Amino acid sequence: DIQMTQSPSSLSASVGDRVTITCRASQSVSSYLNWYQQKPGKAPKLLVYGVSSLQSGVPSRFSGSGSGTDFTLTISSLQPEDFATYYCQQSYSARTFGQGTKVEMK
Amino acid sequence: EVQLVEFGGGLIQPGGSLRLSCAASGFIVSSNYMSWVRQAPGKGLEWVSVIYSDGRTYYADSVTGRFTISRDNSKNTLYLQMNSLRAEDTAVYYCARVVVLIGSLDYLDYWGQGTPVTVSS
Repeated sequence: DIQMTQSPSSLSASVGDRVTITCRASQSVSSYLNWYQQKPGKAPKLLVYGVSSLQSGVPSRFSGSGSGTDFTLTISSLQPEDFATYYCQQSYSARTFGQGTKVEMK
Repeated sequence: EVQLVEFGGGLIQPGGSLRLSCAASGFIVSSNYMSWVRQAPGKGLEWVSVIYSDGRTYYADSVTGRFTISRDNSKNTLYLQMNSLRAEDTAVYYCARVVVLIGSLDYLDYWGQGTPVTVSS
């Protein structure tokens, strides 16, 4: 099974900060990598698919990059509604999620 | 408008069975891939199962042989039959629609609100 490891597990940031979350796969997942946002008590929401394609309606401050085994989700200027937990997910072989990165207010 | 509504969760004893349902509207379940994803209390997301539009099914190792995904085309509803339940199956269970692009690239674009399952004596 392909393991997905996110770093950091949590981070503290302020509104306006640039935030970067990393996701590493235990083997290449090509470009089959998605990102989701989840707020407490809510279902996850798709942000980015295929490494860098923004889902419709997602603000342009979110962006994704990477290939193979190393991927990044960047929030260019953190907004109050962005405090949440973020998950990467691969669909190259079966489907697995990273353990999540919680973005908290500093 | 696409909507997914799960129901059927609850408290069940270890070794018991439960069937979750996910009623869909705004699209045709049988024409899409559909998945179940679960989240244990305070934990991350875990993919559970997928059913393809051609009927093929796949499962996470943790539930293989105990869980069965299926659908009822006449009711436009997805199901997850869960047997031999264990304490570690305790989680909120989400159904989600899968969008398939090229090759193996797929993603979950619409999710239900989730239904909680507690396995405890």
